[in-house]
Amino acid sequence: DAGVTQSPTHLIKTRGQHVTLRCSPISGHKSVSWYQQVLGQGPQFIFQYYEKEERGRGNFPDRFSARQFPNYSSELNVNALLLGDSALYLCASSYTNPREGGYGYTFGSGTRLTVV
Amino acid sequence: DQQVKQNSPSLSVQEGRISILNCDYTNSMFDYFLWYKKYPAEGPTFLISISSIKDKNEDGRFTVFLNKSAKHLSLHIVPSQPGDSAVYFCAASVGKAAGNKLTFGGGTRVLVKP
Repeated sequence: DAGVTQSPTHLIKTRGQHVTLRCSPISGHKSVSWYQQVLGQGPQFIFQYYEKEERGRGNFPDRFSARQFPNYSSELNVNALLLGDSALYLCASSYTNPREGGYGYTFGSGTRLTVV
Repeated sequence: DQQVKQNSPSLSVQEGRISILNCDYTNSMFDYFLWYKKYPAEGPTFLISISSIKDKNEDGRFTVFLNKSAKHLSLHIVPSQPGDSAVYFCAASVGKAAGNKLTFGGGTRVLVKP
């Protein structure tokens, strides 16, 4: 039973370049969210997609964009990379928590992006 | 403006004893709270959640307490085990719909000593 898969696992880019990160949610999960985790901090919400539509956007510049495909996989794109974009990028797909009547996220292991 | 805060960056506890992790929030609209555990090189793993209509939820060794008037929640781990050594994140959301934005605290690093 595959979990949330992200690729690549590690990436080194130069300032000014563009990067595309990919995520495949758990089968049957239609919602995908992206988070950025800078070292020493908690994850910060970037985007949420549900049924291929953007449902939420965090406080990130327009250099960040994303999309979701018909098979519910997703891409996160970052243009004009800055040193401060170095972080762990986490993808999560959502499920309903039957015990609590709420939901939980299953996170992937993330893509470690280093901008030099 | 940090809406979710974990004021203790680290915690050291002896194996078998209780670990207590604290979390404070400022946004009164938050009504669903979650705890995650994170090992290095892995994504956060869901531990336990609680909705604002409850003040306590238990799952095995993990219990979460919610004090809405104080805007405070805590996670108790009893008994603590060496495998519990990890970074723990508190998170909150408005509403319980799948995929709602999570606002995370900064994390507490727990070390359980054998």
